[in-house]
Amino acid sequence: EPEVTQTPSHQVTQMGQEVILRCVPISNHLYFYWYRQILGQKVEFLVSFYNNEISEKSEIFDDQFSVERPDGSNFTLKIRSTKLEDSAMYFCASSENSPYEQYFGPGTRLTVT
Amino acid sequence: SQQGEEDPQALSIQEGENATMNCSYKTSINNLQWYRQNSGRGLVHLILIRSNEREKHSGRLRVTLDTSKKSSSLLITASRAADTASYFCATFGAGSYQLTFGKGTKLSVIP
Repeated sequence: EPEVTQTPSHQVTQMGQEVILRCVPISNHLYFYWYRQILGQKVEFLVSFYNNEISEKSEIFDDQFSVERPDGSNFTLKIRSTKLEDSAMYFCASSENSPYEQYFGPGTRLTVT
Repeated sequence: SQQGEEDPQALSIQEGENATMNCSYKTSINNLQWYRQNSGRGLVHLILIRSNEREKHSGRLRVTLDTSKKSSSLLITASRAADTASYFCATFGAGSYQLTFGKGTKLSVIP
């Protein structure tokens, strides 16, 4: 069964460094998303991406964040200058023809020290 | 906000028993979804129920939706130890791609 994959599974970085989290959505899916889950808290929406542009973003998704679909398969989340509070599990998701059934990847645990 | 809020926060049952989790939300929805998350892992989509549906089944899962009360329930019948996980409800509002999750119910099924 096709699935969303994410790399790396765990990323440790120092405060102020840039990180890129990578995702490979399910191949025929058209909608892509990033969510995060700070330890012990709710899963929070960051951004949705459709037709090569951001379709919706939350207030968490400030200028430090950016997303890109550099080729036909990858979908990336970049954090330009990481802060301690960016430590979280980051989930990529994709959906096929509508946003209503989203399939999540296993997540990347980001630890900012 | 359109947050789903689950209760109970934690539920511990014996294998073979049924588990019922509830979710309440605040605003009008197009649909409501339930997800499972095993410890430290990703979210697995379980079931989607549309706002014009009252009940839906998938295997051992039964979901109900009461839009007048803005609530949903997830029933897992004949639970197994492998059902041990956190369960979340999630909603969209009209015209939004933003899936909003509740805090989840942590289910422990004791063998």
